Amino acid sequence: SQQGEEDPQALSIQEGENATMNCSYKTSINNLQWYRQNSGRGLVHLILIRSNEREKHSGRLRVTLDTSKKSSSLLITASRAADTASYFCATDRSNFGNEKLTFGTGTRLTIIP
Amino acid sequence: EPEVTQTPSHQVTQMGQEVILRCVPISNHLYFYWYRQILGQKVEFLVSFYNNEISEKSEIFDDQFSVERPDGSNFTLKIRSTKLEDSAMYFCASIFGVGLNTEAFFGQGTRLTVV
Repeated sequence: SQQGEEDPQALSIQEGENATMNCSYKTSINNLQWYRQNSGRGLVHLILIRSNEREKHSGRLRVTLDTSKKSSSLLITASRAADTASYFCATDRSNFGNEKLTFGTGTRLTIIP
Repeated sequence: EPEVTQTPSHQVTQMGQEVILRCVPISNHLYFYWYRQILGQKVEFLVSFYNNEISEKSEIFDDQFSVERPDGSNFTLKIRSTKLEDSAMYFCASIFGVGLNTEAFFGQGTRLTVV
């Protein structure tokens, strides 16, 4: 498998439920970023977590990072129809966090009203 | 809030033609990137640019591709002779890149269709 693999590939939940998406990676990282992409549109930056951080919150988003397992999770609480989108993790392996990002395959999240 | 802007949003071109995709990164950012996403696939890195030169490029970024920052604001990707397999969404991104400011912000993308 490749750097940055998300699971599940697709997730459908009822509005109001929590959605959890996972990302695994293979090499050591400087940071990991999560992005949202609505169908055919641009990538919206959600949150960045650094390799020395374990958890980060932003509004209804909670991201965890476990560098020993080389994995991260994105939790969206109290989901809304507008959260329907694809979610990608992307890792930066550079020393200073300013080099290329390696993207995962994405999780397609559908919120059922 | 500052944002990365890309033009055009959609370009249709004939195979063999040259195209130039344009980007205006966030004004105080120092590092610039192009990525592409073939329909239904992962976002793939093409090239990074810093201090007016390419800092890294992927194997996709062959001699048909070039990048330029012709002035203080624009960042362009040129494909010299397009092929059908160049059809994809092309994203420009930028980061400030100093200290803790390493979030990468992406534009809305240019959908390139080669016919």
